[in-house]
Formats: sequence, structure tokens, C-alpha cells
Amino acid sequence: NAGVTQTPKFQVLKTGQSMTLQCAQDMNHEYMSWYRQDPGMGLRLIHYSVGAGITDQGEVPNGYNVSRSTTEDFPLRLLSAAPSQTSVYFCASSYPLGEQFFGPGTRLTVL
Amino acid sequence: KQEVTQIPAALSVPEGENLVLNCSFTDSAIYNLQWFRQDPGKGLTSLLLIQSSQREQTSGRLNASLDKSSGRSTLYIAASQPGDSATYLCAVTLDRGSTLGRLYFGRGTQLTVWP
Repeated sequence: NAGVTQTPKFQVLKTGQSMTLQCAQDMNHEYMSWYRQDPGMGLRLIHYSVGAGITDQGEVPNGYNVSRSTTEDFPLRLLSAAPSQTSVYFCASSYPLGEQFFGPGTRLTVL
Repeated sequence: KQEVTQIPAALSVPEGENLVLNCSFTDSAIYNLQWFRQDPGKGLTSLLLIQSSQREQTSGRLNASLDKSSGRSTLYIAASQPGDSATYLCAVTLDRGSTLGRLYFGRGTQLTVWP
């Protein structure tokens, strides 16, 4: 099993550009989520999904959209990138209330 | 709101020492607690998961304990090695609430084990 995969590993954007961070898992997990990690702020939940077709907002959802058309994939869209979105983004998956597994992260810089 | 605190923030020890990392949480209504390891520039690796009904879990040289009523967990690392150097994160999930399954993270303990 590949576990949780994320692409790209690194990305540089200009302010106002849009992009999609990809996340996929091959463990048939129902629960998937996106976190961002910032120095001094720790890990914060952006959006999460409890199954295909079901998504909801986390702690810091503004500026991000998600969709969940399949069990395997949970992409995160930045609508109009801002310097405040410079961060490391992690995707995670699990069975409901089970052990959570994280991807390797995407390091995003917005200029 | 659930607050998770990890003490100490940083720890530097010589190889071979047994050490204890501490985690405390303000809301005892947790479903489970998970310990992670994060190497610089890498993702989070799950080390141990303790269900709220359990007192401890062991994996190799790692032992994690949970005292739900007092809102505390400890991660014990036996016979530390330089390869144990990393940041250790503690996270809990609540057994209720609108974001069921959400992890509440501490800020981590940065461990350095020197030869």
C-alpha cells in the first residue's frame, strides 16, 4: 500500500493564482482531512470529509475549497492565493475515529 | 475548546538515557490519543494510538500511558538513540462535537539525542 500520497511536494505561487493540492489514499478510509502547519501555530484543521460526497469546514477554512467525489481522493483548492497561505499542508486519512495516517506534505510559498 | 500542551518544548539528552515526554489536555472527554513523530521537513508518522478505555500502549522501546480523568499522557522512550531525534507530537480526538474525528494537536517536544 502506498498509504497517503500528496502532490506536489513543493509549489511556489504568485498572489492571486489558484491551484489544487492533491491527496489520495489507498486504505479505503472514510475519513479524510487537511491540516496546515505553521511555526508557532501548530497544526490546524482546514476541511474534512467523513465520506464521498460529504465535506465540512474545520478551524481555518477561508480561502480553501474541497470536494470528495471518490473515497480515495480529497483535493484542496486554493481559490486566489495570498501570502498568508504560505505554509506546509498535510492530508490525513483514517477509519472513523481510528488511527490517523498523514501524507508527506506539500510545502507552499505564495509570493 | 480543547487545549493540548506538551512539556518540555525541547529536550537534549545523551544516548542511552530513558526519557519521558509529557502531554496534557483540558477536556477529558476524549475518544483516543495519538502520539506522532515528525522528522525535519517530513510528514507525521503515527507511533501509538491509545483508546480512552486503555491505560497504556507499547511498541518496541516506546510506551505511552493515558490518565483520562486527569487529562494527561506520557510517552516513555527507553534507551534513547540518536535516531530518535525528532519532534514528538501528541494529539487527541473528542468523543463528541461537530468536528468528530478532528485531531487537537500540541505544539510538540523537539528531542535531540546526541552520541
